[in-house]
Amino acid sequence: NAGVMQNPRHLVRRRGQEARLRCSPMKGHSHVYWYRQLPEEGLKFMVYLQKENIIDESGMPKERFSAEFPKEGPSILRIQQVVRGDSAAYFCASSPQILGGGNEQFFGPGTRLTVL
Amino acid sequence: KNEVEQSPQNLTAQEGEFITINCSYSVGISALHWLQQHPGGGIVSLFMLSSGKKKHGRLIATINIQEKHSSLHITASHPRDSAVYICAVTHTGTASKLTFGTGTRLQVTL
Repeated sequence: NAGVMQNPRHLVRRRGQEARLRCSPMKGHSHVYWYRQLPEEGLKFMVYLQKENIIDESGMPKERFSAEFPKEGPSILRIQQVVRGDSAAYFCASSPQILGGGNEQFFGPGTRLTVL
Repeated sequence: KNEVEQSPQNLTAQEGEFITINCSYSVGISALHWLQQHPGGGIVSLFMLSSGKKKHGRLIATINIQEKHSSLHITASHPRDSAVYICAVTHTGTASKLTFGTGTRLQVTL
């Protein structure tokens, strides 16, 4: 049973370009979370999705950032017109159906975005 | 003030020492998680607990809900335990998104 897959592992973009980060959850997991880790800082929640639905996007910057989790295929975190401050490690995590007390989350290896 | 506070921020220990990392939180939670982030950046979930104590190998995690405090213990520490240990909580009623502490960087030397 493969773990959470993220690609690319490393992504370099110039200012103004678009970045697309992909996350394939573990088999059988229908819940996906995106987190960002800025250099020398802790992890911060960005967005929580289920298939075809955004459940909580309270951690997403209001502009340039969007996320989706289509019925088929991976979850995508999209950053338009990237700026140097977007340089960070972006982690995806997945969990199975949510129980009352929450579920353990399984993390992918992360995508390290560098904006030149 | 952060909702999740960890101490110490940095910790150096000699191989074989007993290690304790502390986590305090200020919100109602449904679960507390301990994560390990290796120098290469990968994150591994160590424990998820909502009460009592859990043990896995040389790792032990405890939580006191009344005091809003959790500890992660490592017995007989080894250099391969060197990593950043992160405490995270799931707030009550927030559908499992995690709020993280800033992490404790552990270095175990020979």
